[in-house]
Amino acid sequence: QSVLTQPPSVSGAPGQRVTISCTGGDSNIGAGYHVHWYQQLPRTAPKVLISNNNNRPSGVPDRFSGSKSGTSASLAITGLQAEDEADYYCQSYDSSLSAWVFGGGTKLTVL
Amino acid sequence: EVQLVESGGGLIQPGGSLRLSCAASGFTVSSNCMTWVRQAPGKGLEWVSLIYSDGSTYFADSVKGRFAISRDTSENTLYLQMNSLRVEDTAVYYCVTMHLEYNTAMFGWLDHWGQGTLVTVSS
Repeated sequence: QSVLTQPPSVSGAPGQRVTISCTGGDSNIGAGYHVHWYQQLPRTAPKVLISNNNNRPSGVPDRFSGSKSGTSASLAITGLQAEDEADYYCQSYDSSLSAWVFGGGTKLTVL
Repeated sequence: EVQLVESGGGLIQPGGSLRLSCAASGFTVSSNCMTWVRQAPGKGLEWVSLIYSDGSTYFADSVKGRFAISRDTSENTLYLQMNSLRVEDTAVYYCVTMHLEYNTAMFGWLDHWGQGTLVTVSS
């Protein structure tokens, strides 16, 4: 049971828009800690996709965007491409646990 | 260019010990905040341990008292000493740099990742 809750899977056709939610609580996202998103392509290490809730590191396409409100955050992907098929994880800090925490991960399938 | 290369993984019996190494290049390990993150087969990511540049260390409850994190300045290498290993410690272990925000990892993100090393705990 992950501290941050993500849907196990989402899917969309090429060109469509999908969103992945990340729900936390008052000791993590709701406490103001930043949410970061990571993309893990098959058989590779994760890489940061979105930092500080909505910032794209250099090299990340602007098709990816992040948002945060209250105790939740979301990752949006527009103009879906086959290469976006991957696992996506949200991450934050939890002050009650004194630990860095992840969502359980969401598998994106491009139909 | 930042590079992280983990080594030391393998098959170990429950109760055994293993030390993972993470050789870094392109930056100085001791001047940065470093972490270990693991991923059990077919599962999600789990934070394991973190060390700040000042040497202060933090551990997930699941490994507290059994794992230790350290670094060697001359070798520019990060280590994870794992003792009293359990079957549930089986995972790929990633060495990752932590980018600080507001001078703290609590707001920071996991920046550069190694390729990971697999630890299998089984009899």
